[in-house]
Amino acid sequence: EAGVTQSPTHLIKTRGQQATLRCSPISGHTSVYWYQQALGLGLQFLLWYDEGEERNRGNFPPRFSGRQFPNYSSELNVNALELEDSALYLCASSLGSIIGEQFFGPGTRLTVL
Amino acid sequence: KNQVEQSPQSLIILEGKNCTLQCNYTVSPFSNLRWYKQDTGRGPVSLTIMTFSENTKSNGRYTATLDADTKQSSLHITASQLSDSASYICVVSQAGTALIFGKGTTLSVSS
Repeated sequence: EAGVTQSPTHLIKTRGQQATLRCSPISGHTSVYWYQQALGLGLQFLLWYDEGEERNRGNFPPRFSGRQFPNYSSELNVNALELEDSALYLCASSLGSIIGEQFFGPGTRLTVL
Repeated sequence: KNQVEQSPQSLIILEGKNCTLQCNYTVSPFSNLRWYKQDTGRGPVSLTIMTFSENTKSNGRYTATLDADTKQSSLHITASQLSDSASYICVVSQAGTALIFGKGTTLSVSS
């Protein structure tokens, strides 16, 4: 069974640009979660999508947004990139409840120059 | 404030030795507590997940304990191996709304 996949593996952008990160959950999982892991810091919760709807949002500015498609894959968009947005962005999926076990993808390393 | 504190921040042990990692939390209302292992540059992998009523759970050489009264958890690693070198993250679920992550303990196992 394929795990959570993310693309691209690495992404390099400059300040002010927009970044789009993609995630495909494990087959059968309806919930997708996005996390930011900056260097030296713990994972910070960004967004939770379930059945196409945004269920919860972490303490991040509105320029962090996303969506979930009918096939449960998801996109994370970061607008007006800032240097401090450089981080590993992790996607996780679960069977539909934030209480359940989450399975993580390998992450996308975003570097903002 | 909902927080998860882990200690030590980093740890170096010799291969074959045991070690214990600590996690203290102030998250309320509590749903469950998880331990993840994260290799460098990779996504976290779940080791254990415990609810309020569970106080011990094992996964091979990994044993997690939970004291819901004192809001403390520990992860004990037995007979460490080089492949155990990783970051270990304690995560507490806040009753159906969010996961609160600790900053992790970086374990280095040397030969």
